[in-house]
This record gives sequence, C-alpha cells and structure tokens, in this order.
Amino acid sequence: GAVVSQHPSRVICKSGTSVKIECRSLDFQATTMFWYRQFPKQSLMLMATSNEGSKATYEQGVEKDKFLINHASLTLSTLTVTSAHPEDSSFYICSASDGLAGDTQYFGPGTRLTVL
Amino acid sequence: GENVEQHPSTLSVQEGDSAVIKCTYSDSASNYFPWYKQELGKRPQLIIDIRSNVGEKKDQRIAVTLNKTAKHFSLHITETQPEDSAVYFCAAIVPGTYKYIFGTGTRLKVLA
Repeated sequence: GAVVSQHPSRVICKSGTSVKIECRSLDFQATTMFWYRQFPKQSLMLMATSNEGSKATYEQGVEKDKFLINHASLTLSTLTVTSAHPEDSSFYICSASDGLAGDTQYFGPGTRLTVL
Repeated sequence: GENVEQHPSTLSVQEGDSAVIKCTYSDSASNYFPWYKQELGKRPQLIIDIRSNVGEKKDQRIAVTLNKTAKHFSLHITETQPEDSAVYFCAAIVPGTYKYIFGTGTRLKVLA
C-alpha cells in the first residue's frame, strides 16, 4: 500500500518552455501532497505544500508564478515549471500523506528535468 | 523555524560492522522523526520512524533512539551489508504542520 507515482520520469526541454509533472497516489487518498527539489548530492528542499481544492503554500524563496501547483483531486497534484531555464534543471520529487497516519510521507520516484 | 543537522556526511564501514548516524533538531515541539534511505536516482524510502512519546524503536537490524531533552535522534544499523550502501536522510516534522525539514544526508558505504 501507500504507492505514489510520478510522470514523466525524465524530461528534457528547451529554455523558455513549460513542463508539467504529475504526482498520483495510487492506492490511497492524499489529503496533502508536497513538492521537493533535489540537486545532485544534496538534500531534499521543500518547495510547496498542496491540499486538495485549495491554493498551495509555497516555501520562502520559491516563486509561485514560476512553479504552478494544482491539487485538483485527492489522488492527483501537478507541478508546472513555467518558462524553464537551465538553472531549473533538477530532480523534482513529490510526496503524499493520507491523513490517517498523517505524519508519514510516501515519496514518488521523482522526475529528472533537464533544461537545455 | 525548525532546523535539522545531520552527521557525518559520509561514513564507511566494513561489512558486518555497525553504523550510527546522528541528527539534532531545534524545535522542542517537534514530535515525529522519520528516517529515509535513498539510492542513487531513486525515491526516498521510509525505513523507520519514531514519535516523541517513545525513546527507542527497533526493526530487525535498524533502530532509532530519541533524546528529547538533548533534541537529538540517531539511526543505528547493525550487521551492515553491502546493500545498506545508500544516502540516509533524517527529518523532523515542523510542529503544527505535516511538513518535514530534512537533514543534509549521510552517504553510507559498506565495504565488502
């Protein structure tokens, strides 16, 4: 149980384009989902918290107009990187919690974004 | 706000030996501390967690201890095996939220 999927696993795009990443909870309803960014050999940095049906809460320093988050249902959250630039290249990972054992976060497999 | 420090950044042990990774947190109200294992290019996997109402938790070769007074918690892996080689992250929950603050990670190498 508690499986989280992410799509796509890898994406390469040109500078200036937008990229959408999907995060799905497959066997549970995720009341809260989180988006992280991880640079090589570094830790996970929380970008934002999203709750179904409400606006995402962004961490300090994260541009909400650049990283658009939508949590339209209890099983799906999307992150759109708008007007991507090479410095946005990173490993983006989502996680989800089910609100039952509410503290535990289950992670997706991550999306490797490369912006040329 | 919550801050989590993790040591050491790298750790090499011989197969069969024990490994200990230590973390400290800053917010005394934090009450949940998970540990994750992440292999290269893969997702973090929860390996053990502890809540503030207990001082120790064990699951086979893995144990976690918590000292609330000192605000630190540690991961102990006994009888290490090559497949234990990975990066390990500690985390502390931000009180009043479901958010985690992660430590900086420990790269564990188990030498055969």
